[in-house]
Amino acid sequence: DPKIIQKPKYLVAVTGSEKILICEQYLGHNAMYWYRQSAKKPLEFMFSYSYQKLMDNQTASSRFQPQSSKKNHLDLQITALKPDDSATYFCASRVGGQDTQYFGPGTRLLVL
Amino acid sequence: GDKVKQSPSALSLQEGTNSALRCNFSIAATTVQWFLQNPRGSLINLFYLVPGTKENGRLKSAFDSKESYSTLHIRDAQLEDSGTYFCAAGEDNAGAKLTFGGGTRLTVRP
Repeated sequence: DPKIIQKPKYLVAVTGSEKILICEQYLGHNAMYWYRQSAKKPLEFMFSYSYQKLMDNQTASSRFQPQSSKKNHLDLQITALKPDDSATYFCASRVGGQDTQYFGPGTRLLVL
Repeated sequence: GDKVKQSPSALSLQEGTNSALRCNFSIAATTVQWFLQNPRGSLINLFYLVPGTKENGRLKSAFDSKESYSTLHIRDAQLEDSGTYFCAAGEDNAGAKLTFGGGTRLTVRP
């Protein structure tokens, strides 16, 4: 059974619309993250949360807003979508401290 | 410049041969993770390293934080080893975010 679930797997959106990417982890981890992988850039860190609190934000745009309704959930709301937002978005989690980060399968977003 | 530089960017190996991938860090990496991104796009954990070495089957990895590099050795390459290998650095004061290299695209030929 997958331990980190990301939904949907694929997403097509029109420019200017809003979408929410879902992430749930069943590893019992306290820290969760979002990363983005696009054709133009390597995997890059976006946000980190620990015990549902924002720890770090490396995303320049306020159009990207993480939302943590439960300890094992970290969703990503993206507003006013642009074609440049097209990428695969990966959620990750970690138990805490110095330890391995585990990645979900990703959501592939295409903005037309 | 690149904070985590991977080399080579692409590599083609004959099945059964050996090779080494390298990451050089221009940040103060305290931990390293190595991943394989398979053709479906999934990131598979290979190693988590503090300074030192680890081995798992045909793979062996080393991390030298003083010299700021890490290596991944692949022995007896198999077709299923094909994919893109990423290293990612963790820093003590960076809130555990990972900084990724650009990847090495490996193709293993029969």
